[in-house]
Amino acid sequence: ETGVTQTPRHLVMGMTNKKSLKCEQHLGHNAMYWYKQSAKKPLELMFVYNFKEQTENNSVPSRFSPECPNSSHLFLHLHTLQPEDSALYLCASSQEGSGWGGINEKLFFGSGTQLSVL
Amino acid sequence: EDQVTQSPEALRLQEGESSSLNCSYTVSGLRGLFWYRQDPGKGPEFLFTLYSAGEEKEKERLKATLTKKESFLHITAPKPEDSATYLCAVPGAQKLVFGQGTRLTINP
Repeated sequence: ETGVTQTPRHLVMGMTNKKSLKCEQHLGHNAMYWYKQSAKKPLELMFVYNFKEQTENNSVPSRFSPECPNSSHLFLHLHTLQPEDSALYLCASSQEGSGWGGINEKLFFGSGTQLSVL
Repeated sequence: EDQVTQSPEALRLQEGESSSLNCSYTVSGLRGLFWYRQDPGKGPEFLFTLYSAGEEKEKERLKATLTKKESFLHITAPKPEDSATYLCAVPGAQKLVFGQGTRLTINP
């Protein structure tokens, strides 16, 4: 496989469930990201990992817990979510690992996980 | 506060009808601007990076331009397959800042 792969593509969960989203990048990149995309709202950065180290938590509630076991894999563990957490969750990677607002932030996105919280 | 605003929110064109999408921004010290295309059910796909005011880049029917305050994505003689949401993003003080996107529909 090539690019950035996310599983599952769709997820429906109750507010008391625990689930995990998985992301894998096959590009040899150094940085990985979780973004949240809600309807008619800009992409919201959630977490950044550079060389497996979390460099930022963008004020995300603790019911979202990221994990980056190596530079190719990224997980987002979900527990006790709220209905307003329903959104498309996108994983992305970039080569440079500059993290934030550097010009080398050409991002490669996965197709996302469409999450519905009931 | 770093901010990116795209207009219009949605645009419907006939095949072959050229138009432009706008991305205006307020950031301290422009370090470039990105354009992405997003198809339904997929993640954004990189189109262009513009590094400085006056720069232009082209790809097929798309041409992106950049000034000190805004960027335009010009679409010339579009085809139905150009239908997508187009996103722009600017490096802010602490993170990449995205606009809310323009949803473009090209009718055959």
